Amino acid sequence: DVKVTQSSRYLVKRTGEKVFLECVQDMDHENMFWYRQDPGLGLRLIYFSYDVKMKEKGDIPEGYSVSREKKERFSLILESASTNQTSMYLCASSLGTYTGELFFGEGSRLTVL
Amino acid sequence: GQQLNQSPQSMFIQEGEDVSMNCTSSSIFNTWLWYKQEPGEGPVLLIALYKAGELTSNGRLTAQFGITRKDSFLNISASIPSDVGIYFCAGQRGYNKLIFGAGTRLAVHP
Repeated sequence: DVKVTQSSRYLVKRTGEKVFLECVQDMDHENMFWYRQDPGLGLRLIYFSYDVKMKEKGDIPEGYSVSREKKERFSLILESASTNQTSMYLCASSLGTYTGELFFGEGSRLTVL
Repeated sequence: GQQLNQSPQSMFIQEGEDVSMNCTSSSIFNTWLWYKQEPGEGPVLLIALYKAGELTSNGRLTAQFGITRKDSFLNISASIPSDVGIYFCAGQRGYNKLIFGAGTRLAVHP
């Protein structure tokens, strides 16, 4: 079974802090994604990566950056957290380029005070 | 912004009832997918549809890819308590870009 593991289930940070969300997948998938989930808005794509050191902006990249130094690991970085970044963050991976078949982690719920 | 309209937003049903939910868009998609998210978990893929008109079943779940390629529906027959969760539709047009609906929250009363 594919396993996507997110390092923190719950985080509480203060405005202006730098936040790292880590994600690791164990199935040698090429593609990794970071989504944000908010009630009534569904899942919105922040960034994705199709290879090591490669990244592309999704629909809501502002205020976020990402890092993919190893194939199995994809990190989401909030350089200076703000209260409007309080949300559930979901990491996902997929094998093929054109497939929509994603494997998600359990999510990281971030609260910014 | 949001390009998929998913309805209903929520449903509260009795165990044993059938459930229908759908997704519509003004844009054409090449692939439609349905995911389920249980409380405290990430979404899990239920069904993927790749051709217009395709009808696919997965146990008590049946999903269809609309002929116009602008819509999809999901039916759940004879619901049970473990069907509780949020169901998301998603459409894919091209390279690694999925658009998700806002979700349908399903509650099942025993």
